[in-house]
Amino acid sequence: RKEVEQDPGPFNVPEGATVAFNCTYSNSASQSFFWYRQDCRKEPKLLMSVYSSGNEDGRFTAQLNRASQYISLLIRDSKLSDSATYLCAVNSPGTYKYIFGTGTRLKVLA
Amino acid sequence: DTAVSQTPKYLVTQMGNDKSIKCEQNLGHDTMYWYKQDSKKFLKIMFSYNNKELIINETVPNRFSPKSPDKAHLNLHINSLELGDSAVYFCASSLRAYEQYFGPGTRLTVT
Repeated sequence: RKEVEQDPGPFNVPEGATVAFNCTYSNSASQSFFWYRQDCRKEPKLLMSVYSSGNEDGRFTAQLNRASQYISLLIRDSKLSDSATYLCAVNSPGTYKYIFGTGTRLKVLA
Repeated sequence: DTAVSQTPKYLVTQMGNDKSIKCEQNLGHDTMYWYKQDSKKFLKIMFSYNNKELIINETVPNRFSPKSPDKAHLNLHINSLELGDSAVYFCASSLRAYEQYFGPGTRLTVT
């Protein structure tokens, strides 16, 4: 099993739709999780941290499911500008190292 | 103000050459990283420094040598470049092991 796995997509959704991605991780001791957004030919940009209790930032909601070892990202009311690749990052316990998923590509269609 | 900057943005060079990439951050972070993102878009950690001390050194050919002259700077020197070194190299920084902020990347093409 890979350390961090994501469905590569693409997820093609119409504007206004709600879409959710998951990211599974193999090390149950991992404590820190983040979602990043990467546009084509650009650097990954921090989207949001993922807290144990779940957190929301506008149209974006991140959740952590420790029992099943995955994090999720929910995007409500999708905009064309949400089209990007979404990467999850999972901490390697006891280190400063983060393992990144290969990303899930989202295309929001007009 | 750019938080994490890298130079150069593009680097085209021939096999066998030696090249360096520079990174600087003005976020006051104490930890800096080098990542390689290949053509399949997989982002892989190469090195990390915390307060100028090497703390992550992944399985990377010893042709790659990082140097951190101070907390705000991290450079990457690559000797005897090979075709397989072609990729985008990202620098990132963080405060301890918290969220990382990435530079704009250096697109290296080895011909």
